[in-house]
Parts: sequence; structure tokens; C-alpha cells
Amino acid sequence: DAGVTQSPTHLIKTRGQHVTLRCSPISGHKSVSWYQQVLGQGPQFIFQYYEKEERGRGNFPDRFSARQFPNYSSELNVNALLLGDSALYLCASSFRVWEQYFGPGTRLTVT
Amino acid sequence: GESVGLHLPTLSVQEGDNSIINCAYSNSASDYFIWYKQESGKGPQFIIDIRSNMDKRQGQRVTVLLNKTVKHLSLQIAATQPGDSAVYFCASPGDSNTGKLIFGQGTTLQVKP
Repeated sequence: DAGVTQSPTHLIKTRGQHVTLRCSPISGHKSVSWYQQVLGQGPQFIFQYYEKEERGRGNFPDRFSARQFPNYSSELNVNALLLGDSALYLCASSFRVWEQYFGPGTRLTVT
Repeated sequence: GESVGLHLPTLSVQEGDNSIINCAYSNSASDYFIWYKQESGKGPQFIIDIRSNMDKRQGQRVTVLLNKTVKHLSLQIAATQPGDSAVYFCASPGDSNTGKLIFGQGTTLQVKP
């Protein structure tokens, strides 16, 4: 069975630009969560979506937004990129709320 | 606030030995814990989970122990192999029903041949 897929794998952007990251969950999973992982640290929760509705939001500015589509795939959007947004962005899908399975991540570099 | 933390940033073990990775948590109401393994350049991989109504759970070569009295859990890896080299995170739910998992800082396991 295919796991969680994310695209693109790597991305380089300039400060002030915006970026869209994409995630496809495991088949049958209706919930998608987004995390940011800075080098050397554990993942930090950004959002969780369930059945196209935002279930939870972490301590991130409004520059971060997301949505979930009818096929349960999801997009994470970040506007007005800052150098500090450089990180690995992880998507996790789950059938139950807490048993979350992660994708390989998108490595975002902001210059 | 809630926190989940690991005791050692790095653990070095000899191939074939057993490894023990420790984690402490602050929220006594936490009732579910997950261990993840993250290899270089990859996303975290679900290893094993445990609910607070259990003290111990075993998987393939891994055992998780939960001590609710001292708010501590550990991941034991039997007969450690080079492929076990990775960063290990413990995680626990944050706010109820938001889907937020709180992760520790991670312990890097190095396996010496």
C-alpha cells in the first residue's frame, strides 16, 4: 500500500514569496496533519484537518494556511516567507486522531 | 505547558547490545504515547504506541514501558542493529481533539559495528 506522499521533495524560495506544499494521505485516512521540523528539533504541530474542516491549529502566524480537498489530499500555504520558515514540512495522515503516519516531508529553503 | 522530553540527546551502543531510550512527560493526564524513528532525510516512522491503561507493550524487537507514577516511558530495542541508527522521538497528544502531537527533542541512536 502507498504511504503518505508529499510534493515537492525540495524547494528553494526567496524571502517574501509564497509557497504551496501538497500531501496525499494513505488510502482510507480522512485526517491530515501538518508539522514543521527545524533542524535538530522535534516536529511542531501546525494544523490538522478532518473531513475538510480544520480540527486544530498550532502556534503559527496567519501567514500559514491549509485546506483539505474532497479526496482528502491537502495543501499547506505559507505567505510572505521569512528566513525562519526554512524547515522540513511534514504531512501525517491518520484514520484515528492520534495514530499519525508521516510522509517523507518537503525541505523548504528560504534565501 | 505540556512538554515531552528525552533524557539524552545521543546514545551510542554496540551492535548486538540492547538499547534503552528514555522520555519524560509533564502532563499527568496524557493517556497515549507514540515512539517514532526518523532516519536521515526521511519523515518520522511510527514504531509502537501505548495507552495509559498499559504498563508495557511489545513489538518486533521493541518494548515500550510506561511508568505513570514518575511520568516516564522508555523504548527498549533488543539486539540493536546498524539499521536502528536514527533519531527517536516520543510523542503524546496535546490539546484534546485538535490532533496536535507534542514531540520531544529526540535521541540520536548510534550503533557501532
